[in-house]
Amino acid sequence: KAGVTQTPRYLIKTRGQQVTLSCSPISGHRSVSWYQQTPGQGLQFLFEYFSETQRNKGNFPGRFSGRQFSNSRSEMNVSTLELGDSALYLCASSLTGGALYEQYFGPGTRLTVT
Amino acid sequence: KNEVEQSPQNLTAQEGEFITINCSYSVGISALHWLQQHPGGGIVSLFMLSSGKKKHGRLIATINIQEKHSSLHITASHPRDSAVYICAVMTGNTPLVFGKGTRLSVIA
Repeated sequence: KAGVTQTPRYLIKTRGQQVTLSCSPISGHRSVSWYQQTPGQGLQFLFEYFSETQRNKGNFPGRFSGRQFSNSRSEMNVSTLELGDSALYLCASSLTGGALYEQYFGPGTRLTVT
Repeated sequence: KNEVEQSPQNLTAQEGEFITINCSYSVGISALHWLQQHPGGGIVSLFMLSSGKKKHGRLIATINIQEKHSSLHITASHPRDSAVYICAVMTGNTPLVFGKGTRLSVIA
């Protein structure tokens, strides 16, 4: 089975721009979670999607949004980029989410905002 | 919100040494995950456990629910074990809460 894929792997954007990141989960997995990792804050939960519905949301401003498509692929969007948004963005998929199932992480998208 | 503490923050070991990384949390959980992150960023899930002990190769993970504490042990450590090890906990269906990680360097 193919693993979780994320595109693009690297991205450089300018302050004020917007960006869209993509995540393709493992086939059959219906839950996709997004995380932000920075040196200062470590890993933080952004949001989780299950069957095209946002099920959980972390403590991030409304500039961070996401969606999930019927094939379980997910995208996250960050509008009006700030320098502090520079981070590694990871997505993870699992069968249904929750505590019963393991999460499988993608390789991440490294976003640099200049 | 659950607070997750890991110790030590950094660890340097000689090849072959037995290594222990600790994780404690503040609120009862449904599951605890141990993750491994190599330079470059990719994260691999090592264990998911809610009670007792699990073993995979040279890695052993234990959890004590009453004491809200888990340990990750690496036997016969090897330079390829050098990575950041992250503990994460989940309560019910709430999102994962992560520790800050333990950076392990194993020297040949």
